[in-house]
Amino acid sequence: NAGVTQTPKFQVLKTGQSMTLQCAQDMNHNSMYWYRQDPGMGLRLIYYSASEGTTDKGEVPNGYNVSRLNKREFSLRLESAAPSQTSVYFCASSVYHGASGSNEQFFGPGTRLTVL
Amino acid sequence: AQTVTQSQPEMSVQEAETVTLSCTYDTSESNYYLFWYKQPPSRQMILVIRQEAYKQQNATENRFSVNFQKAAKSFSLKISDSQLGDTAMYFCAFMKSGNQFYFGTGTSLTVIP
Repeated sequence: NAGVTQTPKFQVLKTGQSMTLQCAQDMNHNSMYWYRQDPGMGLRLIYYSASEGTTDKGEVPNGYNVSRLNKREFSLRLESAAPSQTSVYFCASSVYHGASGSNEQFFGPGTRLTVL
Repeated sequence: AQTVTQSQPEMSVQEAETVTLSCTYDTSESNYYLFWYKQPPSRQMILVIRQEAYKQQNATENRFSVNFQKAAKSFSLKISDSQLGDTAMYFCAFMKSGNQFYFGTGTSLTVIP
């Protein structure tokens, strides 16, 4: 199993350009997440998808859109990149097993995005 | 709203010694889960330990243990016999029903040889 994969690993954009970050998981997890990580601010949730066909805003959704293409894939799109979106982006997935069992999040390796 | 606070931005410990990282959280939920994640320089997020709020017994994983004080909403991580490979950023995280996670701002731990 590959776990959670993200592409690309690095990206440099100019202000105003658009791009899509791709994420896929092969663990049959229901829930998927997009976070951004900035120095001194930890991980902040951008969007999440509790199950296939649903998406919800997190703490910092402005400037982003997401698509839960199917159970495996959850993409993050920047329509018009801004320097404030320079960050490391993590995708994660999880499955809730109720009162016991594993319900942790599994993370991808991250994408370092720089917007000039 | 749920918040997770890690009040120690940086810590250091001598190799083989014990260190405790602090975490407090705020929630009105009664059922939830708490986690500590480690992020080494490789940037990969790795689960260290988890605690279910309904369990009174503190979780332990080898050299890692937690002190979970539900009434005080405190969830500290103790690392015993610190090793050089423990050098990393450590994040405390809270999960409520609905599978939404909240992370603290992290504590950067350096193990000194």
